[in-house]
Amino acid sequence: NAGVTQTPKFRILKIGQSMTLQCTQDMNHNYMYWYRQDPGMGLKLIYYSVGAGITDKGEVPNGYNVSRSTTEDFPLRLELAAPSQTSVYFCASSPQGAGGKLFFGSGTQLSVL
Amino acid sequence: DQQVKQNSPSLSVQEGRISILNCDYTNSMFDYFLWYKKYPAEGPTFLISISSIKDKNEDGRFTVFLNKSAKHLSLHIVPSQPGDSAVYFCAASALGSNYKLTFGKGTLLTVNP
Repeated sequence: NAGVTQTPKFRILKIGQSMTLQCTQDMNHNYMYWYRQDPGMGLKLIYYSVGAGITDKGEVPNGYNVSRSTTEDFPLRLELAAPSQTSVYFCASSPQGAGGKLFFGSGTQLSVL
Repeated sequence: DQQVKQNSPSLSVQEGRISILNCDYTNSMFDYFLWYKKYPAEGPTFLISISSIKDKNEDGRFTVFLNKSAKHLSLHIVPSQPGDSAVYFCAASALGSNYKLTFGKGTLLTVNP
C-alpha cells in the first residue's frame, strides 16, 4: 500500500531558487493538505484542497503556491526560496467525512541556504 | 497565539506504568480533537480522536479524556510500552473548517524498559 507519497525526501536550495514538492495519494481521498513543521514546533497548515480544482490558503501560505488538477496529485510550489522556508514539509490526505483523520506522507526535509 | 498548547515538551515513564499526556486549547469553536503519534523520519499517524459531545473515548490501551469547561484534554496510555516512545501531537478542528487541524507543539514520550 503506497498511501501518500512525497518526493523528494531531502533537498537543499539556494536562496532565490524555486522548486516543486510532489505529493500523490492512491486512496482516492478528496481532501489533501500541506503542512510544515519547524524544529520544536507543531505542524502549520500551508494550503489545502477539498477536491480537484479547489484549493484554499491555510495559516502560513505566503511564499507558496499549489494546484490540484487531479484527485491524486497536490504539488506545492516554492517560488524564490528564503531561509525562513527551511522546514520539514508534510503532505496529507483524508476522505471526506473522516473527521480530521489525516494520512500523512513521510515528509520532505528542505534546507534553504 | 497558540490555540493548542502542549506544555510538557517531554515525558519519561517506566514500561508498564501509565503515561498521561496533556493538551489545552483556547478556541471555543474547536469541536473535534485528535492525537497523532510521530516517529523520527516518518509522518504523523492518527492515534485516537474525540468529539466535543463526548468526554471519553477508548481504544485498547489508549484513552482520551475531554474536559470542555476547562478546555483540556488528556491522553492516557496504559500500560506503556517501549514501542510507544514517540512524539505525540494534540490537534483540534472547528466545525465547518473542512477539518483543518491546528496542532500543538508535541510531547516527546520516552518509555524506559
